[in-house]
Amino acid sequence: QSALTQPPSASGSPGQSVTISCTGTSSDVGGYNYVSWFQQHPGKAPKLMIYELIKRPSGVPDRFSGSKSGNTASLTVSGLQAEDEADYYCSSYAGSNNLVFGGGTKLTVL
Amino acid sequence: EVQLVESGGGLVQPGRSLRLSCAASGFTFDDYAMHWVRQAPGKGLEWVSGISWNSGSIGYADSVKGRFTISRDNAKNSLYLQMNSLRAEDTALYYCAKDQLFSIFSTFDIWGQGTMVTVSS
Repeated sequence: QSALTQPPSASGSPGQSVTISCTGTSSDVGGYNYVSWFQQHPGKAPKLMIYELIKRPSGVPDRFSGSKSGNTASLTVSGLQAEDEADYYCSSYAGSNNLVFGGGTKLTVL
Repeated sequence: EVQLVESGGGLVQPGRSLRLSCAASGFTFDDYAMHWVRQAPGKGLEWVSGISWNSGSIGYADSVKGRFTISRDNAKNSLYLQMNSLRAEDTALYYCAKDQLFSIFSTFDIWGQGTMVTVSS
């Protein structure tokens, strides 16, 4: 059960796009489509932004999108807004009734 | 309104036990798997344990296996986490979270506000 690998930080200016990666193995990210992304603002509970790789829950702006290539999943935030500044975490099913998170990425809107 | 409310956290000495509870409302509890996720102060999220709708499938993180036990009471719309042999590294905010599926562990679409567990002498 090794944590998924995310970059510690990412940044972009308002209106720009930024992509956050989440690298695992063939036993988790690469082996299943149960990859999710969460947004967490300071002092708040996490919020589901993307599930099953590419699906957005109701109410999540379509500026947020997910994708996967091999063992790496990605979250792209387009048209960056100030309120997008937060910590972002990926998670993946890892088989045998296990789930694993990434270490988190702090997104800064410049 | 869909809601998860955790309780049972507090300050506990190393080696002692604590039982967390999560009360669910606003959805059909026994239609979904449920999870516990924790976050140590200033750190990232860590999945702790999950349980399927009928308790037939249960999983634990290696860090808590053999010490923590997850359970649920569908009649009471409640999820529990029995934590034994607590260690300082178990200090964290413990979140209760709802899955989107009933059997396989897929994601966490609803979160509670968390209950803080501090393990210290």
